[in-house]
Amino acid sequence: EDKVVQSPLSLVVHEGDTVTLNCSYEVTNFRSLLWYKQEKKAPTFLFMLTSSGIEKKSGRLSSILDKKELFSILNITATQTGDSAIYLCAGGYNTDKLIFGTGTRLQVFP
Amino acid sequence: KAGVTQTPRYLIKTRGQQVTLSCSPISGHRSVSWYQQTPGQGLQFLFEYFSETQRNKGNFPGRFSGRQFSNSRSEMNVSTLELGDSALYLCASSVGLSSEKLFFGSGTQLSVL
Repeated sequence: EDKVVQSPLSLVVHEGDTVTLNCSYEVTNFRSLLWYKQEKKAPTFLFMLTSSGIEKKSGRLSSILDKKELFSILNITATQTGDSAIYLCAGGYNTDKLIFGTGTRLQVFP
Repeated sequence: KAGVTQTPRYLIKTRGQQVTLSCSPISGHRSVSWYQQTPGQGLQFLFEYFSETQRNKGNFPGRFSGRQFSNSRSEMNVSTLELGDSALYLCASSVGLSSEKLFFGSGTQLSVL
């Protein structure tokens, strides 16, 4: 059975800390690994990774995919209270075959 | 460019009733997917529509149905509501079939009493 597992389930840090969120996948038909940030309701797109070993960066956020070991990590450096959210990862092939993880809840305190 | 719009934002229904949720995708996007999100279960795929045709359906009972109109707008219907149907229902659109990049709406929070 296809599955995407995220860890940790929950994380509490102080502003300025660096965090690493993990996502492992076992997906039969795999092409892309996506990361989303869900603050209130609408998940917003962060990264889409298709190639192994190539880091994608956006400001303080970065992500990398390892297709051999079947995992991805999302790094957030110098965390801010605005980073508090649920971070979702999803893996699959085409929009009707994406498998989502249950998410990591990140709380950043001042 | 307007994002994905879902209506209504909140709904309260009682068991046995039915409900219809609406989703307007981003202009130019032809694929619409629906997800159910509950605490602990994450996002569960309901179905996807492309060019008014259902491409795929998740593991949900037949009480859950949907459709897509020629302007790509989509509706989702749940009949004979059960308490366990209480969830956030998210709609997402994408450009087409070959991209996994989904753009989500803010969802409809459904509470079944």
